[in-house]
Amino acid sequence: DVKVTQSSRYLVKRTGEKVFLECVQDMDHENMFWYRQDPGLGLRLIYFSYDVKMKEKGDIPEGYSVSREKKERFSLILESASTNQTSMYLCASSFPGGDIGYTFGSGTRLTVV
Amino acid sequence: KQEVTQIPAALSVPEGENLVLNCSFTDSAIYNLQWFRQDPGKGLTSLLLIQSSQREQTSGRLNASLDKSSGRSTLYIAASQPGDSATYLCAVLWGAQKLVFGQGTRLTINP
Repeated sequence: DVKVTQSSRYLVKRTGEKVFLECVQDMDHENMFWYRQDPGLGLRLIYFSYDVKMKEKGDIPEGYSVSREKKERFSLILESASTNQTSMYLCASSFPGGDIGYTFGSGTRLTVV
Repeated sequence: KQEVTQIPAALSVPEGENLVLNCSFTDSAIYNLQWFRQDPGKGLTSLLLIQSSQREQTSGRLNASLDKSSGRSTLYIAASQPGDSATYLCAVLWGAQKLVFGQGTRLTINP
């Protein structure tokens, strides 16, 4: 069964900490994405990547960075966590063009205290 | 601006009813449209994917239709069950390879 795996279901971090959220896919997808989901705001794209070492800003990149050193792994980094980054984070992957759709991970619920 | 809208935001129906969830989008030049299901606190599960050249897709009790000219898609759920209770999200892929999501419809099926 093909998968997008997010390393943590729940995380609690302190304000100012550097936080790493990891995502791994086993479908050989070129494209990978990070979204955050908040009540009333829906899903918003943070960053995406079309290939190894490639990255593009999404709609809300401020306060985040990403790393893609290998095709199967896409990391989201919160450089200095803040309480307004408390959210559900969702990783997704797809082939170029999205012809067979996107596959999402199970999400990471991050709480910054 | 490319936007996706889902109405209503919430829907509650008795078990056994057939129901329709609506999705509308601006800009008819889509690549495809995908319907997802999300259970509380969980990730997104893909239900159906409709390519721009298709009019509908079916999976079990689910049927999704696409009318690009009017900018609409519907998700039809037949013989609803309590296990169908979830939030249903519509997402559209335009040329930039980035999915744009609607706000979702929270569906409750009452036994």
